[in-house]
Amino acid sequence: SQQGEEDPQALSIQEGENATMNCSYKTSINNLQWYRQNSGRGLVHLILIRSNEREKHSGRLRVTLDTSKKSSSLLITASRAADTASYFCATDASRDTGRRALTFGSGTRLQVQP
Amino acid sequence: DAGVIQSPRHEVTEMGQEVTLRCKPISGHNSLFWYRQTMMRGLELLIYFNNNVPIDDSGMPEDRFSAKMPNASFSTLKIQPSEPRDSAVYFCASSFGDFSYEQYFGPGTRLTVT
Repeated sequence: SQQGEEDPQALSIQEGENATMNCSYKTSINNLQWYRQNSGRGLVHLILIRSNEREKHSGRLRVTLDTSKKSSSLLITASRAADTASYFCATDASRDTGRRALTFGSGTRLQVQP
Repeated sequence: DAGVIQSPRHEVTEMGQEVTLRCKPISGHNSLFWYRQTMMRGLELLIYFNNNVPIDDSGMPEDRFSAKMPNASFSTLKIQPSEPRDSAVYFCASSFGDFSYEQYFGPGTRLTVT
């Protein structure tokens, strides 16, 4: 499986509910980023968390990182219809792989029903 | 700021034709990335420039693909000759810093090769 795999692949919730998406990866990382992609648009950066950080907040977003489990989660609280999008995690694993590039996961498609 | 600008937004061409995609990064950014997104393979990095110099081109599929960055405000991705399997959305992104920094994506070019 690839570096940076999100689960679930798809998630449908009602407006006002919380949405949690998970990302697992295989190698050591320097940082992990989350991006959002609305249908037919480019990706938009949401948040970056470094390997020595455990939790980060930005507005209604909360990201956690567990390097021992090689996993991260993105929590969107009080979801809105406008949060409907695909969400991707991206990892910088250059310390382990030597490749100077972010590796993107396959994404979670979030549908928020009004 | 206008953001990352890509042209054309849509391109339909016949197999065997040359295709040139263009990108103008955000002013002041010193890294530029070309990605390809398909349903089957997800988002793949094709090439990464830093200060106009190609740093990682290991994702370029084959010799039919070439990329240039003649100056800090312009880059091209060329496919010659194009094949139906090249059909995808091609994104350009830029960042203020190296690949590990947050990346700003353009709207993408949807390429269809018939």
